[in-house]
Amino acid sequence: AQTVTQSQPEMSVQEAETVTLSCTYDTSESDYYLFWYKQPPSRQMILVIRQEAYKQQNATENRFSVNFQKAAKSFSLKISDSQLGDAAMYFCAYTFSGGYQKVTFGTGTKLQVIP
Amino acid sequence: NAGVMQNPRHLVRRRGQEARLRCSPMKGHSHVYWYRQLPEEGLKFMVYLQKENIIDESGMPKERFSAEFPKEGPSILRIQQVVRGDSAAYFCASSPGTQQETQYFGPGTRLLVL
Repeated sequence: AQTVTQSQPEMSVQEAETVTLSCTYDTSESDYYLFWYKQPPSRQMILVIRQEAYKQQNATENRFSVNFQKAAKSFSLKISDSQLGDAAMYFCAYTFSGGYQKVTFGTGTKLQVIP
Repeated sequence: NAGVMQNPRHLVRRRGQEARLRCSPMKGHSHVYWYRQLPEEGLKFMVYLQKENIIDESGMPKERFSAEFPKEGPSILRIQQVVRGDSAAYFCASSPGTQQETQYFGPGTRLLVL
């Protein structure tokens, strides 16, 4: 079974600084997708970034980028120039690319942004 | 293009009552997934449905919970004889149905059982 582990229950960052959230996962599959979702206090799940396992290039979306280490099964999220609106729970997630896409989520990291 | 819609957003039930949660997928999406988020936890998969078919219900509790996605209308997650432990946020997600597609989540329904 696939598992996703987020070992940092809480993180804090100063506004305008950079923070990295960690995620590791376990799977026997070679082709899969990894995601970071943001859940603000409204509790809406918002897709931040997506990475296809077959792509070596790390995904980037504006101030958000990932460090994908397939051999190490590591998938960290870097937030640059942190803003107050980045404060939220961040969930790392995995889905197998074959068949349908049941998503497995980590337990989340609560990010606090300090003005 | 409207996103995934869920209603109600908040639902209060007394123990023993029934809860019905509705999910309308994004236009053009034929696959629906339900997830449950208990307080202070991540989302856990419950069930995956296509139109008129349950594909995978491996995450659904064996009793009191059921789900459907009829040919017409929204997907329904039904919880009979609710207990306090059912209090959670229930999220619906949809995808077009082809492989390699991201799931898009609705705003969730917060169920509180008194």
